[in-house]
Amino acid sequence: EAQVTQNPRYLITVTGKKLTVTCSQNMNHEYMSWYRQDPGLGLRQIYYSMNVEVTDKGDVPEGYKVSRKEKRNFPLILESPSPNQTSLYFCASKWGSGANVLTFGAGSRLTVL
Amino acid sequence: GNSVTQMEGPVTLSEEAFLTINCTYTATGYPSLFWYVQYPGEGLQLLLKATKADDKGSNKGFEATYRKETTSFHLEKGSVQVSDSAVYFCALSGSGGGADGLTFGKGTHLIIQP
Repeated sequence: EAQVTQNPRYLITVTGKKLTVTCSQNMNHEYMSWYRQDPGLGLRQIYYSMNVEVTDKGDVPEGYKVSRKEKRNFPLILESPSPNQTSLYFCASKWGSGANVLTFGAGSRLTVL
Repeated sequence: GNSVTQMEGPVTLSEEAFLTINCTYTATGYPSLFWYVQYPGEGLQLLLKATKADDKGSNKGFEATYRKETTSFHLEKGSVQVSDSAVYFCALSGSGGGADGLTFGKGTHLIIQP
């Protein structure tokens, strides 16, 4: 089954404790992206990647890092999480650039205390 | 920059009612337009899309027409069901932003009562 898989689905952590949210897709998509969803703000793009070793900032990159060492994986790294990063995070992927349809993961709900 | 404005909810309707969720956009060039739906506890999934002016996207009884003259992409359904209860997002892509990731509206929470 074609899918985007995120882990963990739920996580409660404390301020300053580094964490990584993994994202993997099995569709051989070149493009991958991370979004955060917050009430009243909709979804905002954090980072995206056009291909292996090619990443760029989205609209809200502060406090996050990403890497793209393999085509299928695009982890989101929070080096020193803060409470304002409490959110619902979605990973998504699609073919190439252009207006192709994004496939989303099921989401990762992160709480930073 | 690109932006999408949609009516915020919650929107509460009775089963079999007619649904309209308004969506307008601002973008350079010729974006593609999408409606995504998010059911409780799940990720977003594509509902329908339109890639050029006057195109009509349709799926599961939902329809939306790409109106360039009014920069709109309103979502409609003639008779809603309880199972349509979800959050609906209007989005655009194709104007180069975020290397063609999506720019989303804030989402409309739809509640259908039996």
